[in-house]
Parts: sequence; C-alpha cells; structure tokens
Amino acid sequence: DIVMTQTPLSLSVTPGQPASISCKSSQSLLHSDGKTYLYWYLQKPGQPPQLLIYEASNRFSGVPERFSGSGSGTDFTLKISRVEAEDVGVYSCLQSVDLLTFGGGTKVDIK
Amino acid sequence: QVQLVQSGTEVKKPGSSVKVSCKASGVTYSNFNNYGFSWVRQAPGQGLEWMGGIIPVFGTANYAQKFEGRVTITADRTTSTTYMELSSLRSDDTAVYYCARPMGPSAGPTFQYHSYYMDVWGKGTTVIVSS
Repeated sequence: DIVMTQTPLSLSVTPGQPASISCKSSQSLLHSDGKTYLYWYLQKPGQPPQLLIYEASNRFSGVPERFSGSGSGTDFTLKISRVEAEDVGVYSCLQSVDLLTFGGGTKVDIK
Repeated sequence: QVQLVQSGTEVKKPGSSVKVSCKASGVTYSNFNNYGFSWVRQAPGQGLEWMGGIIPVFGTANYAQKFEGRVTITADRTTSTTYMELSSLRSDDTAVYYCARPMGPSAGPTFQYHSYYMDVWGKGTTVIVSS
C-alpha cells in the first residue's frame, strides 16, 4: 500500500498568520492519465470530513481562497494564507492512485 | 437534495458482526451503478482509514488490505443503499463509520481507484464493541 506521511502532527497558529502542512507519499501519485490524485480534507470537531483540495492543487467548490494546495510526485503541501478561527480541526491528505490511503492527520488549533 | 443517510448507533459484543447501511439521495436508479461508494472509519483519537468501496457497474468491491476477509461492502440499486458489514468484531473496531460518495457519477470506462471520489459524506455511525 502507498503510505502517506503528514507533518507536523499538530500546529498552533495565531489568527491572521499563515500555516503549512506537508504530506509525502511512498510512491508517486502521478497517474497515467496525467492527473495527480492527492486530496486534502478538513475534519472539524464532531463533523465528517470536508473536501478542500482535489488533484493536488484544485480548490473544491466553496472553499475559501486562503486555502491552496501544491506539489507533485511524492511531495505535497497545503497552505492557509491567513488562518481564521473557523479553520481549527484535523487536516488529512488522501491518495487514490492505488487503493486509497489517508495521512495520519495534522491537528490545527488557534493560539 | 444530495445526502447520505446512515443507520444508527450499534453496540456489539466481541466476535459478533455489524452491518451499517447508507442510503443515497440525489442518485437516480439509472446512474446509481456509476457511483463510487466508500466506507471510511475513525477510531477515537485516531485518523481516517479507508476500509473499502464499491462501484456497482464493475461488480465487485475493493478493500484495504487491513480489512480484507473481515469486511463486506454491497450495494442495492433498488433502494439506493450501500452496506458495510464487519465481522469478528474486536474492541479496537470501536469507531465512527462513514460512508462517502462523489456528487455525480464517477465511474469511467475502466475501473480506476480515483473513481472513489469523496465529496459527499454521511454523518457517521458509531459502532461500540464491548463485552
């Protein structure tokens, strides 16, 4: 199975400051169709996960512009340009090139 | 309205089985078979785990290696419902179990794992395994 490794495990951010989360895969997530099947989810307390980014860098419908995804191959990053209080929760990356596997998650809270 | 409605909380004994249902609205009879339905679980304080899924048009379900042999995922087109059955339950199977699906049909002409696109989620079903 493809292993997804996220860092850091947790992040405490001052509102208005940026935040960055890394996700590394044990194999390339570039599919033969030319797309990269890496997703980012946010799970707020008591809620199911919500999709933020699909195919590594595409913001899902309704997701604020302060969220951005980048990367290719095996190295990916989720950035929040200015963290807001509503951004607290656990962020997880997911690959779907070969079966599906999630990263371990990064808990983000507000200082 | 696009949503997934899951069955309620289950309390089970170790060694028994549990079957959780997930009814999809906003899916027509004619295109139900072209959706990739996934099951994801989250144990207390732990991360998300994809257990497996089914894209009915391709006939068989797909399972994560960890759950192979212990989980069965099925789909019923007549009721727009998918099911996840987990057997030989242990205390560490205590978790919230989610079903998820794409907003629209996701199956292409050939099977691809990325057809298990997850942007619509159920609210989760709590399964407690305790003697």
